Amino acid sequence: DTAVSQTPKYLVTQMGNDKSIKCEQNLGHDTMYWYKQDSKKFLKIMFSYNNKELIINETVPNRFSPKSPDKAHLNLHINSLELGDSAVYFCASSQVKTQYFGPGTRLLVL
Amino acid sequence: SQQGEEDPQALSIQEGENATMNCSYKTSINNLQWYRQNSGRGLVHLILIRSNEREKHSGRLRVTLDTSKKSSSLLITASRAADTASYFCATEYNFNKFYFGSGTKLNVKP
Repeated sequence: DTAVSQTPKYLVTQMGNDKSIKCEQNLGHDTMYWYKQDSKKFLKIMFSYNNKELIINETVPNRFSPKSPDKAHLNLHINSLELGDSAVYFCASSQVKTQYFGPGTRLLVL
Repeated sequence: SQQGEEDPQALSIQEGENATMNCSYKTSINNLQWYRQNSGRGLVHLILIRSNEREKHSGRLRVTLDTSKKSSSLLITASRAADTASYFCATEYNFNKFYFGSGTKLNVKP
């Protein structure tokens, strides 16, 4: 069973579109994260939720809106996509300190 | 910025040799973790060292932490081709807020 899963794995879309990425974890963890990895492999935290409550919002443009319907799911909706949003987006979950990452969603904005 | 910085950016060695990667950070931390990322995959946790620890071992991995120099090193002994991956350090400054760098890309030649 996959611990942290993300859908879709690949996403190619036009500038200006709105898209969503979904994340689910079956580890029973209370905390979930979204990270963005750019083309230089730099990994930056975007959001963190603890038990459905937003606890970290790292000055991400408000075009990005996370939503946690329950503690096993954390989705990311992106409005008005821009070229600079092209990256790999990783979801992760943790209970204590160790984070478990999903396989990533490769987003390409044309 | 608060993220850790790994050094070197890239490292190429022969199988059987040891690989050493370093991580420097800027302010006091609660703990530091090392993760591995295989090409096209999510990150996998390797080891965590707390701020009051100086050295930790896990199999062929040895991690040191020098809080006075704000640096950590990851040593992989007797490297194998399967160790080829990017290695990231992650520092935790505040509760559940982790900062990653851009990683060291390790290539182990068979």
